[in-house]
Amino acid sequence: NAGVTQTPKFQVLKTGQSMTLQCAQDMNHEYMSWYRQDPGMGLRLIHYSVGAGITDQGEVPNGYNVSRSTTEDFPLRLLSAAPSQTSVYFCASSYGTSVEQFFGPGTRLTVL
Amino acid sequence: GEDVEQSLFLSVREGDSSVINCTYTDSSSTYLYWYKQEPGAGLQLLTYIFSNMDMKQDQRLTVLLNKKDKHLSLRIADTQTGDSAIYFCAESGFSSNTGKLIFGQGTTLQVKP
Repeated sequence: NAGVTQTPKFQVLKTGQSMTLQCAQDMNHEYMSWYRQDPGMGLRLIHYSVGAGITDQGEVPNGYNVSRSTTEDFPLRLLSAAPSQTSVYFCASSYGTSVEQFFGPGTRLTVL
Repeated sequence: GEDVEQSLFLSVREGDSSVINCTYTDSSSTYLYWYKQEPGAGLQLLTYIFSNMDMKQDQRLTVLLNKKDKHLSLRIADTQTGDSAIYFCAESGFSSNTGKLIFGQGTTLQVKP
């Protein structure tokens, strides 16, 4: 198993550009989440999904869209990037009632 | 709302014990977690404790839970330089697992040789 994979590892955008951060897992996990990590603030939940076709907002959803058309993939879209979205983004997945969430290696995004 | 608080920094000498503390607000949390993040890496689950337990021991790690004070601690015995990392406390915000975790700010543990 590859576990949770994220692409790209690094990205630099200009203000107003759009892009999609990719997340995939091969563990047949139902639950997938996106977090952003900022210095001194820990990880904050952006969006999450409890299964294909079902998504919901987390703590900081503004400026981000998600969709879950398959169990494996959970892309995060930035429609119009802003400098405030400069952060490290982590995708995570878990199975049903499992207590453990598996995290991807992260995408470091800089918006100029 | 749900909130998790941690101190930001802890420095210890190699061989000493480290104690990282965390407070949380959501009394309905089912599980409380400790994650470790090494530089440039994602998060790795270290250990967790079910909310009806007071203590859990796993090799060098001891987790203590005080439900009355909503206080969680992680003790690392015989701390090694390889334990240097950021440690995150987290709670499951709901009694059913939806994949949502509420994280603290993270405690940077520095282990001096």
